[in-house]
Amino acid sequence: SYVLTQPPSVSVAPGKTARITCGGNNIGSKSVHWYQQKPGQAPVLVIYYDSDRPSGIPERFSGSNSGNTATLTISRVEAGDEADYYCQVWDSSSDPRFGTGTKVTVL
Amino acid sequence: EVQLVESGGGLVQPGGSLRLSCAASGFTFSSYSMNWVRQAPGKGLEWVSYISSSSSTIYYADSVKGRFTISRDNAKNSLYLQMNSLRAEDTAVYYCASAVIFRPFDYWGQGTLVTVSS
Repeated sequence: SYVLTQPPSVSVAPGKTARITCGGNNIGSKSVHWYQQKPGQAPVLVIYYDSDRPSGIPERFSGSNSGNTATLTISRVEAGDEADYYCQVWDSSSDPRFGTGTKVTVL
Repeated sequence: EVQLVESGGGLVQPGGSLRLSCAASGFTFSSYSMNWVRQAPGKGLEWVSYISSSSSTIYYADSVKGRFTISRDNAKNSLYLQMNSLRAEDTAVYYCASAVIFRPFDYWGQGTLVTVSS
């Protein structure tokens, strides 16, 4: 089965840049989607197809994907960005996979 | 506005059954493939099951295959998950979410908690 590995936690000061990685075997050949989940809430799509942003998602959120690592970048981090973030790919038509999740803490 | 509202969660004993429902509104439900995704307390997201818009294609995670059944009623704009032979490890918040194969999970409900315990 396809495994997506994320760092358990990332800490960042307000106004700085947070980078969250998602590692998987040749993940660059797949499309990666990213979700933000705040405590007690459902996940929200923040990046799809590696680097596209849904309407309503700030331009501060961006994504990239190459080789064995996909990255979600949050620029000019705000307190409201504190949440868990999950990457996701479809390993096959019947096997969507989520990453292990990363807790972003704003210092 | 797209709305997905889950219901049917609760406390059930190991080996018991439960049926979850997801009521959809604000979009053409009959045109969308749907999924169930769960999240155990303090853990990450786990996909459970997929059903195509016409119910012609259905998939399950290995962890629930043979025990859970996904279905839908497009006339009622509703998605269901029949859960049998429940185990402690099935304890989780269950979300319904729309997603076509290879596309992102774009709309999510607020979730319903299932607790399997004696």
